Amino acid sequence: EVQLLESGGGLEQPGGSLRLSCAVSGVTFSIYAMSWVRQAPGKGLEWVSSISGSGDTYYADSVKGRFTISRNNFRNTVYLQMNSLRAEDTAVYFCAKVQHWDLRNFFDYWGRGTLVTVSS
Amino acid sequence: EIVLTQSPGTLSLSPGEGATLSCRASQSVDSTYLAWYQQKPGQAPRPLIFGASVRAAGIPDRFSGSGSGTDFTLTISRLEPEDFAVYYCQHYEGSPITFGQGTRLEIK
Repeated sequence: EVQLLESGGGLEQPGGSLRLSCAVSGVTFSIYAMSWVRQAPGKGLEWVSSISGSGDTYYADSVKGRFTISRNNFRNTVYLQMNSLRAEDTAVYFCAKVQHWDLRNFFDYWGRGTLVTVSS
Repeated sequence: EIVLTQSPGTLSLSPGEGATLSCRASQSVDSTYLAWYQQKPGQAPRPLIFGASVRAAGIPDRFSGSGSGTDFTLTISRLEPEDFAVYYCQHYEGSPITFGQGTRLEIK
């Protein structure tokens, strides 16, 4: 059974940093692209970032230059380093497995999400 | 960037009825890269359809997807109580990946 488990969310002040982790099990992690999607309270889904199986990275304009996605294939984990946090970054952050190696595939498994709140 | 516009915003129907949800793209897209997801309150999105018309694993055949170019449709025949949720379309032909704003399917 494929499972994705996010962690690292919490309350952070504007300008602060958080690192989210997503541990993946039940699949050969290294051969799949991975993504982060967020959902602000009461709002829709917003793609944040993706990393291909080969390590190529992609970002939404809203987070480019502030967030960094990375992966550790030995630990079957994908990370999202979030710096210079803003109030508008407040959301539930979902980790999602991409169907194949390449970014251009749909998200076939999702974690339950971790809540990030940016507030003073 | 491809902008996806879903309609209607809210759809009120009764169990047993059929539902038709629309997703319109701001420019023509390859249907290979169009997906639909279902989300219930407090839960992660559930993959339903990819490639515009291919059901994801475990999705019942009352869910079907169709469309091409700029107009795509998710059809749910014979609504079950568990189908009332929010539905999102997604375009995933590279960066940026975009989602529609969602259609809320509520019980009438």
